[in-house]
Amino acid sequence: NAGVTQTPKFRVLKTGQSMTLLCAQDMNHEYMYWYRQDPGMGLRLIHYSVGEGTTAKGEVPDGYNVSRLKKQNFLLGLESAAPSQTSVYFCASSYSMMGDTEAFFGQGTRLTVV
Amino acid sequence: AQSVAQPEDQVNVAEGNPLTVKCTYSVSGNPYLFWYVQYPNRGLQFLLKYITGDNLVKGSYGFEAEFNKSQTSFHLKKPSALVSDSALYFCAVREIYSSASKIIFGSGTRLSIRP
Repeated sequence: NAGVTQTPKFRVLKTGQSMTLLCAQDMNHEYMYWYRQDPGMGLRLIHYSVGEGTTAKGEVPDGYNVSRLKKQNFLLGLESAAPSQTSVYFCASSYSMMGDTEAFFGQGTRLTVV
Repeated sequence: AQSVAQPEDQVNVAEGNPLTVKCTYSVSGNPYLFWYVQYPNRGLQFLLKYITGDNLVKGSYGFEAEFNKSQTSFHLKKPSALVSDSALYFCAVREIYSSASKIIFGSGTRLSIRP
């Protein structure tokens, strides 16, 4: 059972480039989330989804877009990368809203924008 | 507005000694409280949670946490630390019965256990 899988694990982008981060879960969870982790700031919610075809903004959504075309996949897109988006990105999934039940996290994607 | 604070960026403990990682929270109503652990180059892993009931909650790897409503705290504890406990620990809170509220994570405490 793979759990939550993120690809890629590392990426270096030039300012202005675009990329998509893929998250896949095999637990049939309805809820999926994208967080960014920065030193001293904990985890901040970027976007989340409460089911296939639905997405919602989190705490820091600017500069990011998401899509949930299939229940098992949640994509995070950066249309025009900026150095401020250098971070470690984590995807998570849960059976019900995180904070009601435990969440399962991927291993993270370390993104550097130069 | 809800918030969570981890007042210590780092906690250093000798192996075999008891450890405590502190967490305080603020919510309007009653809280759901969680502890997660992050090992190097890994995602967060669930340790334990408090929803209701007994104030002392037991979790994975011998960890426990005590909910103290009057002090609005949820400190993580372990009676005897292991070197393998060295990791980054996150406290998280969500307000119960508030569909609009989302879980909030603290800034994390790095636990270092020396042999």
